[in-house]
Amino acid sequence: AQSVTQPDIHITVSEGASLELRCNYSYGATPYLFWYVQSPGQGLQLLLKYFSGDTLVQGIKGFEAEFKRSQSSFNLRKPSVHWSDAAEYFCAVGAAAGNNRKLIWGLGTSLAVNP
Amino acid sequence: ETGVTQSPTHLIKTRGQQVTLRCSSQSGHNTVSWYQQALGQGPQFIFQYYREEENGRGNFPPRFSGLQFPNYSSELNVNALELDDSALYLCASSGSSGRTSDTQYFGPGTRLTVL
Repeated sequence: AQSVTQPDIHITVSEGASLELRCNYSYGATPYLFWYVQSPGQGLQLLLKYFSGDTLVQGIKGFEAEFKRSQSSFNLRKPSVHWSDAAEYFCAVGAAAGNNRKLIWGLGTSLAVNP
Repeated sequence: ETGVTQSPTHLIKTRGQQVTLRCSSQSGHNTVSWYQQALGQGPQFIFQYYREEENGRGNFPPRFSGLQFPNYSSELNVNALELDDSALYLCASSGSSGRTSDTQYFGPGTRLTVL
């Protein structure tokens, strides 16, 4: 079955510290991978996406993610976290083939940032 | 360029009632996807409309139905509301290439409460 797992429900880091949010997926086809961020009361904003090519992708707000096919992972990283990064982070996977653009989502990781 | 908008922002209904949620897609986008996000959960795909036709559906009962209009705006209708329908309903629009690689841009959502 297709699924996305975000093992960490909640993470707290200090401002200025590095961050890694984990995402593992199970998908029968070649996946497209996404990270979105959701601030309280807001919709979802795309941070970055991976379709093909270089497995290290750069996104907005200083985020990057690395696709590791052998580990079925797409972990999100940021070298230095800012207080404004506190939010809910979602990993999602979609089908690379066909015309069905359904996205399958993880349960999210809630990030808190200590001053 | 106008982003994705949704109305209303909040809605309170009672069990058994019917509700219609509306979404205006981003300019130039011909695809709209609807998601249900329960509290503390990731979004769940309801269905997608592409050029006014349903293009994929998630595991939701038939009382969840939708429409897409010639201007690519969309409606989500839910009949016979149940308590478990209480959630944030997100609309996302995506571009005209018809592929998963089209980024989905999300609206702020409609918060539905069923009493």
